[in-house]
Amino acid sequence: QVLLQESGPGLVKPSETLSLTCNVSGASISTYFWTWIRQPAGKGLEWIGRVYNNDILNYNPSLKSRVTMSVDTSRNQFSLRLISVTAADTAIYYCARDGGDFWGQGTLVTVSS
Amino acid sequence: QSVLTQAPSASGTPGQRVTISCSGSTSNIGNNFVYWYQQLPGTAPRLLIHRNHQRPSGVPDRISGSKADTSASLAISGLRAEDEADYYCAVWDDRLRGWVFGGGTKLTVL
Repeated sequence: QVLLQESGPGLVKPSETLSLTCNVSGASISTYFWTWIRQPAGKGLEWIGRVYNNDILNYNPSLKSRVTMSVDTSRNQFSLRLISVTAADTAIYYCARDGGDFWGQGTLVTVSS
Repeated sequence: QSVLTQAPSASGTPGQRVTISCSGSTSNIGNNFVYWYQQLPGTAPRLLIHRNHQRPSGVPDRISGSKADTSASLAISGLRAEDEADYYCAVWDDRLRGWVFGGGTKLTVL
């Protein structure tokens, strides 16, 4: 059984950086693509990007200028950084294995001063 | 506006068969596998269908997926109250070089 757990601040100030980490257990972080997806309240799912071993990175074109993803193989976790956040970035952020067979429970990030 | 088009809502009565559609283009559905997710209120999405029609273990066979050209469908037969949820299609888009989601369909069991 593959388990994913998101962690990070639930409140970020406008113009600052959102940083989240996803801890993975039950699967090697080096073997798969790993994905971040977000969902604003009452809205649909938005793919943010995916990472494979820090070698392959694909980002949503609409967020590409602000997003960085990375993998920490020693800790079996991967991370998301989103710079220059605004209220429009307020959402539940999910980490998942690429293809969506395993998801974290999601973490709410609110952008507010 | 989503790259993939889904009707915002669908409904059916218990026991009925309901179909949810997802329309795309040659750069996504026309050339790649389609995935379907169910999202119950307050929970993370759950994979229902992968590679157009494959069911992960634990997904009942009354749920099925299909694809034709640039459209895909999710069918739920023997509708139950527990099927009331939001349903999303997703596929890799070759032009955008990323995953794209449909806007979601809210299924109501009357």
